[in-house]
Amino acid sequence: QVQLQESGPGLVKPSETLSLTCTVSGYSISSGYYWGWIRQPPGKGLEWIGSIYHTGSTYYNPSLKSRVTISLDTSENQFSLKLSSVTAADTAVYYCARGQQQPGTSNWFDPWGQGTLVTVSS
Amino acid sequence: EIVMTQSPATLSVSPGERATLSCRASQSVSSNLAWYQQKPGQAPRLLIYGASTRATGIPARFSGSGSGTEFTLTISSLQSEDFAVYYCQQYNNWPLTFGGGTKVVIK
Repeated sequence: QVQLQESGPGLVKPSETLSLTCTVSGYSISSGYYWGWIRQPPGKGLEWIGSIYHTGSTYYNPSLKSRVTISLDTSENQFSLKLSSVTAADTAVYYCARGQQQPGTSNWFDPWGQGTLVTVSS
Repeated sequence: EIVMTQSPATLSVSPGERATLSCRASQSVSSNLAWYQQKPGQAPRLLIYGASTRATGIPARFSGSGSGTEFTLTISSLQSEDFAVYYCQQYNNWPLTFGGGTKVVIK
């Protein structure tokens, strides 16, 4: 059974870089699938941040692309998110998830990590 | 970017009744649509993918239909554990986009 767990600082200062890690258990991330990040501001809906294929190819939300980097660490069976120059608008619960697909499509997500709240404040 | 619009924003339903939730895409997404359920304090859970295929372990009272730009999630007989927020997501094109959600509340 695949499980995902987010980790990282819960508080980040404005203008700094948000860094989160997703640790995957029950499946080797280098074997297949996409691996994605999604966020949810308090009381609001879901926003896709980006996905990385097991080969390392990345896909980012154009609204965040200039600030986002997603990478794989296959030795630790983890993937990570870096979001630079954060502001209060980046305060959200950040989820990692496995991206599933059919040929010719992009991702739906299953399963998801439990999420981690990141607050941007000085 | 494909915009996903869900309606209504809030749906008031009595236990045991049918709930019908709608999701509209700004352009065709074929059948590349997923539905998720989210309860307070929890991560979203996949219910449906491919517009109509139930995910593993999802009860048969959940069904999805539609293609192109119009989609429906139906809960045939609402149970107490079904009161939650439901999101649709298109995966026909990058960037992936979600609808704003429908909150199903007890009438």
